[in-house]
Amino acid sequence: GAGVSQSPRYKVTKRGQDVTLRCDPISSHATLYWYQQALGQGPEFLTYFNYEAQPDKSGLPSDRFSAERPEGSISTLTIQRTEQRDSAMYRCASSRAAGVQETQYFGPGTRLLVL
Amino acid sequence: AQSVTQPDIHITVSEGASLELRCNYSYGATPYLFWYVQSPGQGLQLLLKYFSGDTLVQGIKGFEAEFKRSQSSFNLRKPSVHWSDAAEYFCAVGVGSNKLVFGAGTILRVKS
Repeated sequence: GAGVSQSPRYKVTKRGQDVTLRCDPISSHATLYWYQQALGQGPEFLTYFNYEAQPDKSGLPSDRFSAERPEGSISTLTIQRTEQRDSAMYRCASSRAAGVQETQYFGPGTRLLVL
Repeated sequence: AQSVTQPDIHITVSEGASLELRCNYSYGATPYLFWYVQSPGQGLQLLLKYFSGDTLVQGIKGFEAEFKRSQSSFNLRKPSVHWSDAAEYFCAVGVGSNKLVFGAGTILRVKS
């Protein structure tokens, strides 16, 4: 696609429910990132994929968080048993290739509110 | 640990005035440094980046930034601000092979 898209743009859920967020990267981009951005803060790295491989999960805050990219394109981020502290903007980015020198292109984000 | 500090949470400048947004980083190795801008409802957009070489880097929309190793700083500047520059600005440092560590951001307000 022309840019990175994310869905839904807004999600309100009740504590304890599971949510799945979707990211559609720029087509042909090999690398995909997930970030969590709390209100008033900068984005914080969660995990990334290089094609379908997931070399780094170090930023995932707990085992309730998981991400997939089974075919090396679209990715999902799932939060199980949501808690109020999970409320944040979740941002996806993609880059042409792996490497911090590659420009990351960000999507508009999904704002998650856990009640 | 790697970190980025943006000391100013909010800055207000008059349209046409010059702008400098401060960024200090903490990173043991040679840093890769970035400035991103976030407009309401939009994703973050890369303004400029520094990897090596000339310490003054030019970016899009008339922005520039200067890397000063001795001060661990990478301040963003623009000679004349336009109302459309009102947004939130994030400084980031590249860590390891793939991770970006962001500062908390500076919100720029432009008054006419």
